Amino acid sequence: DTGVSQDPRHKITKRGQNVTFRCDPISEHNRLYWYRQTLGQGPEFLTYFQNEAQLEKSRLLSDRFSAERPKGSFSTLEIQRTEQGDSAMYLCASMVPGETQYFGPGTRLLVL
Amino acid sequence: AQKVTQAQTEISVVEKEDVTLDCVYETRDTTYYLFWYKQPPSGELVFLIRRNSFDEQNEISGRYSWNFQKSTSSFNFTITASQVVDSAVYFCALSKGVDSSYKLIFGSGTRLLVRP
Repeated sequence: DTGVSQDPRHKITKRGQNVTFRCDPISEHNRLYWYRQTLGQGPEFLTYFQNEAQLEKSRLLSDRFSAERPKGSFSTLEIQRTEQGDSAMYLCASMVPGETQYFGPGTRLLVL
Repeated sequence: AQKVTQAQTEISVVEKEDVTLDCVYETRDTTYYLFWYKQPPSGELVFLIRRNSFDEQNEISGRYSWNFQKSTSSFNFTITASQVVDSAVYFCALSKGVDSSYKLIFGSGTRLLVRP
């Protein structure tokens, strides 16, 4: 399977804990995007990378959130000191600039 | 600012009926892209179509067809002879054009329920 993969698919954590999600893009795609989707809403942009450079961050990305793509391949999204409001689906997508974004299966986060 | 509006929150049809999902967008850019994605209950967003702002030709792919009208800033999606497997949430999205971030701005989605 050469699509976008995300791990884990589901995560339940207690408020205040840190969580980390991983995204593996399609191999030839140099752009990688993170989105967040809450119940009943469309996905909202969080941040994106071109190779290893993080080029844009949304105001939704508070200082408790950090994303990395150290070698320009996989990316991680970390949430520190989770809050109940962080409960959402976190989606990763990748693309070649000018083409189409393809999405992974998402990570569903539930903060208790 | 860019914005996508999907006014239909939920649509319910009986199998074999035709159904049209509406999408209205706002942008000041002259070059942009429009998309439709399908999100089945599993949660993964499945790409359906991409349309360049310079290409207003309608497109048909099997039972799916898309009507892009710049004059009304609309990009509507029609499913002909709907099937139960078409039940999902459908999202319309917009991105800027060449040399941009290509980040997607999504509408709030339309939930389609096709009843047997």
